[in-house]
Amino acid sequence: KAGVTQTPRYLIKTRGQQVTLSCSPISGHRSVSWYQQTPGQGLQFLFEYFSETQRNKGNFPGRFSGRQFSNSRSEMNVSTLELGDSALYLCASSLEVAGGRETQYFGPGTRLLVL
Amino acid sequence: AQSVTQLDSQVPVFEEAPVELRCNYSSSVSVYLFWYVQYPNQGLQLLLKYLSGSTLVKGINGFEAEFNKSQTSFHLRKPSVHISDTAEYFCAVSGSGTSYGKLTFGQGTILTVHP
Repeated sequence: KAGVTQTPRYLIKTRGQQVTLSCSPISGHRSVSWYQQTPGQGLQFLFEYFSETQRNKGNFPGRFSGRQFSNSRSEMNVSTLELGDSALYLCASSLEVAGGRETQYFGPGTRLLVL
Repeated sequence: AQSVTQLDSQVPVFEEAPVELRCNYSSSVSVYLFWYVQYPNQGLQLLLKYLSGSTLVKGINGFEAEFNKSQTSFHLRKPSVHISDTAEYFCAVSGSGTSYGKLTFGQGTILTVHP
């Protein structure tokens, strides 16, 4: 079974631009979570989507948004990019089962550099 | 609110020596605990998880961890490390129910195995 895929893998943008990152979960997984990883702040939770609805949200400004499609693929968008948005953005998917959920499996990430 | 503290930012060790990476967590509710590993320029790979049951959890690559509720710890151990274990290790916690998809990570421990 194919793992979590993220596109693009690398991205360079300039301040003020916007960016959209894509995540395709493992087949059958309906929960998708996004994380930001930086050297200073470490791994921080952005948001989680399940069945096209945002289920959990982290403490990020409104410039960070996301959505999920009916096929469970998810996108996150960052508007008005700032230098501090340079990071590795990780997506994870998990399977909902009766009585709980299974492990989150992570993709390779999208490395965003804002100049 | 939940938090995770990894007590060592860097751990150097010689090949074939044992290693322990320490993790303490804080939470007011029942939690699930995880250890992930990240190799350079890659995403996160699950080593092991504690959801319930036996407090000694065995994972991949010879790693194991013990859940200690009274000390709120979840330390990772390996009896004999290899050069290939050199990587960054993250301890993480999540809540149950709808909070399961939101992982809170520690700051990471860089394990360097020397020949």
